[in-house]
Amino acid sequence: GQSLEQPSEVTAVEGAIVQINCTYQTSGFYGLSWYQQHDGGAPTFLSYNALDGLEETGRFSSFLSRSDSYGYLLLQELQMKDSASYFCAVRGQTGANNLFFGTGTRLTVIP
Amino acid sequence: EAGVTQSPTHLIKTRGQQATLRCSPISGHTSVYWYQQALGLGLQFLLWYDEGEERNRGNFPPRFSGRQFPNYSSELNVNALELEDSALYLCASSLTGLGNTIYFGEGSWLTVV
Repeated sequence: GQSLEQPSEVTAVEGAIVQINCTYQTSGFYGLSWYQQHDGGAPTFLSYNALDGLEETGRFSSFLSRSDSYGYLLLQELQMKDSASYFCAVRGQTGANNLFFGTGTRLTVIP
Repeated sequence: EAGVTQSPTHLIKTRGQQATLRCSPISGHTSVYWYQQALGLGLQFLLWYDEGEERNRGNFPPRFSGRQFPNYSSELNVNALELEDSALYLCASSLTGLGNTIYFGEGSWLTVV
């Protein structure tokens, strides 16, 4: 099966940098994805790492270490609108295309 | 290009009744996924359909079922509703084989009273 662990809550100051960690256990591994969900909204895709290393997309970066079964999402120059829940997700089962999501990290950005 | 659309937006049912939720994927997407998100909780995988077939199922009882139609739209049926079925039901779609990037609809809020 699959399991993912993330911190439940993170608070950071506007303009700062915050890192949201994710550790996973899965019987197979086909990449780590990150999704953002604002209150009352649908989850939206942020990034995907299939290989080790850092992927950068604007203010957001995502890192993966397959040997450590670990990844993180890095948000730079935090803005108030970044307050949301962030979920990591894996496709871990051979032949199964569906994602399994972590429990989510609620990020609160304060002035 | 239209995104994933779901209906109804809100649904109120009585315990023991049946609920049917509908989803239209993004044009060209053949895979449809259903997730349950109880208030304040994470996304629990329910079902995955591709090319009209159920491909995988999460840890939910058989009273959660669904189907995918030839036009790739899908419906989720929940029978014998229980109070704890109250949740946001999210549908997502993707191209076949690209399950790492899925696109969600706005969801259907199901309230069981």
